[in-house]
Amino acid sequence: GAVVSQHPSRVICKSGTSVKIECRSLDFQATTMFWYRQFPKQSLMLMATSNEGSKATYEQGVEKDKFLINHASLTLSTLTVTSAHPEDSSFYICSASLPEEIDYEQYFGPGTRLTVT
Amino acid sequence: AQSVTQLGSHVSVSEGALVLLRCNYSSSVPPYLFWYVQYPNQGLQLLLKYTSAATLVKGINGFEAEFKKSETSFHLTKPSAHMSDAAEYFCAVSLTRGSNYKLTFGKGTLLTVNP
Repeated sequence: GAVVSQHPSRVICKSGTSVKIECRSLDFQATTMFWYRQFPKQSLMLMATSNEGSKATYEQGVEKDKFLINHASLTLSTLTVTSAHPEDSSFYICSASLPEEIDYEQYFGPGTRLTVT
Repeated sequence: AQSVTQLGSHVSVSEGALVLLRCNYSSSVPPYLFWYVQYPNQGLQLLLKYTSAATLVKGINGFEAEFKKSETSFHLTKPSAHMSDAAEYFCAVSLTRGSNYKLTFGKGTLLTVNP
């Protein structure tokens, strides 16, 4: 159980375009979803936390207008990178969790490799 | 606030040797602690977690970790390394309540296993 998927696994887009990444909890309803960014050979950096039906909470230094997060349902969150630039190229990983009173673990997706040319 | 320090960005061992990956944490309240493994171009897989029960935690693939409050440590060990253990390992901490269990990760330790 507790499987999280991401789509696409890899995407290449041109500079100036927008790209959407989906994160789905396949067999559970996720109260909270998290979006991370990982640069090569570095750790995961939390970008934002999203709760279903409410606005995402962004970490300091993360541009809200550039990284649009929508958590429309208990099983789906999307990250849209708007007006992408080469410096946005990175590995994006999402995770999902159950309500605090039920569980305390984050379940991670397999990641999406974004390359902006 | 919480933080994690992983000592050694790269650890190299011989196949069959002991694996020891170090993790120290800082937390204002009793923490939850996690070890994750990441293979190239993949997401994170949970190895084990400490959630204030037994201080010696056993995980998957023969790994275990011991929570030592006095040393604020949560080192990961495996008695005998296997070639398939070669990967990046991340230690992470979260507060026990009230933060959606937001994780703070260490910088990671790359484990290489030599034949």
